[in-house]
Amino acid sequence: GDSVTQMEGPVTLSEEAFLTINCTYTATGYPSLFWYVQYPGEGLQLLLKATKADDKGSNKGFEATYRKETTSFHLEKGSVQVSDSAVYFCALSDQDSGYSTLTFGKGTMLLVSP
Amino acid sequence: EAGVTQFPSHSVIEKGQTVTLRCDPISGHDNLYWYRRVMGKEIKFLLHFVKESKQDESGMPNNRFLAERTGGTYSTLKVQPAELEDSGVYFCASSQGGPRIAEQYFGPGTRLTVT
Repeated sequence: GDSVTQMEGPVTLSEEAFLTINCTYTATGYPSLFWYVQYPGEGLQLLLKATKADDKGSNKGFEATYRKETTSFHLEKGSVQVSDSAVYFCALSDQDSGYSTLTFGKGTMLLVSP
Repeated sequence: EAGVTQFPSHSVIEKGQTVTLRCDPISGHDNLYWYRRVMGKEIKFLLHFVKESKQDESGMPNNRFLAERTGGTYSTLKVQPAELEDSGVYFCASSQGGPRIAEQYFGPGTRLTVT
């Protein structure tokens, strides 16, 4: 079945550091890929998405590129802020199955210190 | 426009008791999903409603879980009787349109603790 693997956390960075959170996937079809973020005390929010190979999703300074050849969708940000501290979830939706049910990774906690 | 809301935000119950979680989707959203995150694990799909019909309940762990969506509006998820392994955060999400539109809007979750 479909699965998503993302790097274990927590990831601890200083403000303005470069961020990479690795995500790889396994899917039987041709999935859409997502990054969701959960800030403390809040629900999941869609951060960015990509629906086909080589697409780059971007939002709030974060970006991720859909790499079909490496089945990856790594999240990057050039300069993190304290307010980026949150849990980040990589997810896929295998639309070939006919529905948009999401398959998630375990989540990666990001802690940014001033 | 109000987002997805869930009630309660936190519930602590003893093993063997019953708990009912509620989700109010965004108005007009036909699709409603339930997911669960057990501590340290992935967020896992439980089931999917299209309006009032269960489209996919393949993720429901066992028959102690019962989900309903009367009238195609809000949904409830009942756990009866609760077991220790049911502890976790239960998320609800909704989306509009046909099933192939993947963007789902999530609620803040209900944290269930079974002692």
